Amino acid sequence: GAGVSQSPRYKVAKRGQDVALRCDPISGHVSLFWYQQALGQGPEFLTYFQNEAQLDKSGLPSDRFFAERPEGSVSTLKIQRTQQEDSAVYLCASSSYLRENEQFFGPGTRLTVL
Amino acid sequence: SQQGEEDPQALSIQEGENATMNCSYKTSINNLQWYRQNSGRGLVHLILIRSNEREKHSGRLRVTLDTSKKSSSLLITASRAADTASYFCATYPTGGGNKLTFGTGTQLKVEL
Repeated sequence: GAGVSQSPRYKVAKRGQDVALRCDPISGHVSLFWYQQALGQGPEFLTYFQNEAQLDKSGLPSDRFFAERPEGSVSTLKIQRTQQEDSAVYLCASSSYLRENEQFFGPGTRLTVL
Repeated sequence: SQQGEEDPQALSIQEGENATMNCSYKTSINNLQWYRQNSGRGLVHLILIRSNEREKHSGRLRVTLDTSKKSSSLLITASRAADTASYFCATYPTGGGNKLTFGTGTQLKVEL
């Protein structure tokens, strides 16, 4: 399909494990965003890329969170030493240069930390 | 942190009725958007209204924006069971780059 895809869709991790979440944006979309959505809440901004450059990482909750987009397309969000409070749905979105205000979201990865 | 709040938190109506959801936000904005989220289709963009616009329509959706009160409303007319979902407003703060800030959401249930 032509939409944003994310993998895995579900991830269960034991506390202390490292996890890596993948996002495939819409082809040609310059901007890529990561959001964290806790149960019953709206998504909260984590970080933003324009091509391979990470222009804003102000929303990353701690230095255990790291995101990269080395070739300006696929992005990975890595969480080291996971904690129970990291349990949430992680959403990826992308937008085009011409319509940068409209973000297209992927289905999300539901992370559960036991 | 969330930019604003939505009201009501939950709304249950009968099919065919209209549904109105309200959103309040805290800072100056460039534009305000409404998104729908359900388990089947994830988060979907519905409509965008710019800070210099007061009202916008798209199909069965009507959005209003009052920047003096820092509030917006979303009206869904002639609701259908398929409209059952959570609805979020999201804002681009003025000078805030491309960072979308979401509200807390309204859970809408449309019953047959």
